[in-house]
Amino acid sequence: KNEVEQSPQNLTAQEGEFITINCSYSVGISALHWLQQHPGGGIVSLFMLSSGKKKHGRLIATINIQEKHSSLHITASHPRDSAVYICAVQDTGNQFYFGTGTSLTVIP
Amino acid sequence: ETGVTQTPRHLVMGMTNKKSLKCEQHLGHNAMYWYKQSAKKPLELMFVYNFKEQTENNSVPSRFSPECPNSSHLFLHLHTLQPEDSALYLCASSQEGPARANTGELFFGEGSRLTVL
Repeated sequence: KNEVEQSPQNLTAQEGEFITINCSYSVGISALHWLQQHPGGGIVSLFMLSSGKKKHGRLIATINIQEKHSSLHITASHPRDSAVYICAVQDTGNQFYFGTGTSLTVIP
Repeated sequence: ETGVTQTPRHLVMGMTNKKSLKCEQHLGHNAMYWYKQSAKKPLELMFVYNFKEQTENNSVPSRFSPECPNSSHLFLHLHTLQPEDSALYLCASSQEGPARANTGELFFGEGSRLTVL
């Protein structure tokens, strides 16, 4: 069993819809990361958080340390948001664990 | 542009070839990583270099050989690979503090898509 589980694995949405991607983890962490990977392969860091909530534009990330759960929300989704979203956690020994990713397709 | 550059972006090689992947970071970071990404699997850590010293080797086969000549450059030398080694190979860097506490996030390159025939 992977230390980081994401759901759903695949997600298709209509442009403008509100999207939620979930991440659960089983290790003690110092930080959780949300990453975005476009079809070309490159990975970009969206958020790094250890508590509460962060917002950047239409993206919102939340984390509940007690429940070992995080969510990534996208408001007013757009086709350019189509990508794979990866949840990753840093444990207290600074080792990274990655989820398998959620493939998002936003249809115009 | 993340400040981490990988070349080549695509590589096709036979099982008897020798090739190298190159990674360069312009961020002043002191830790660099090689990850392997196969379809439908989480990223797998292959090698970690801190301050040019290799600190982790996650049971990677010897047909993969890393080299870190300085804190800005990282190579992955490939020889006698197998078709199952076909994957996306990602380089990343980060800034580690003096106490080896990772102070921040990973910055990834665009990846090198490797196909072994």
